[in-house]
Amino acid sequence: NAGVMQNPRHLVRRRGQEARLRCSPMKGHSHVYWYRQLPEEGLKFMVYLQKENIIDESGMPKERFSAEFPKEGPSILRIQQVVRGDSAAYFCASSPFQVMNTEAFFGQGTRLTVV
Amino acid sequence: KNEVEQSPQNLTAQEGEFITINCSYSVGISALHWLQQHPGGGIVSLFMLSSGKKKHGRLIATINIQEKHSSLHITASHPRDSAVYICAVSLYNTDKLIFGTGTRLQVFP
Repeated sequence: NAGVMQNPRHLVRRRGQEARLRCSPMKGHSHVYWYRQLPEEGLKFMVYLQKENIIDESGMPKERFSAEFPKEGPSILRIQQVVRGDSAAYFCASSPFQVMNTEAFFGQGTRLTVV
Repeated sequence: KNEVEQSPQNLTAQEGEFITINCSYSVGISALHWLQQHPGGGIVSLFMLSSGKKKHGRLIATINIQEKHSSLHITASHPRDSAVYICAVSLYNTDKLIFGTGTRLQVFP
């Protein structure tokens, strides 16, 4: 049973380009959470999705960021027109239940560097 | 003030020492998590607690719901325990995790 899979592990983008980060939840998990870890800061919630639905996007920046979790395929976090301040580690976690009252399962993260 | 506070921020120890990391929170929670992150690495779940105490190998986690406080203990510390330890809580009325800023532990041989 593979864990939460994120790719790519490392992503370098020039300012103004688009970044697409992918997250495949654990088998049987239909809930996905994205978190961002800025350099020297703690993790912050971004968005919570179920299949084909955004449940809570209260942590998403209002512009340039979007997320989806289609019926088939991985969840995608998309950052348009990246800026240096977007450089961070982006982690995905998955859960089989609506509330994270089970062990947290995280991916290895995608480290985005904007140059 | 952060909803989840950890102390200390940095901790150094000699191999074999007993280590305690503390976490206090100010919100109602359904569970508290202790996570481990190695430099440049992913995040691994160590414990999920809603009451009492759990033990796994040399790691022990406790929680006091009334005092809104949890501790992570490492007995007989080892250099491979060097990592960032993160406390996180699941809120009652949401399904997202709120994180502390982490405790950076270095264990020297």
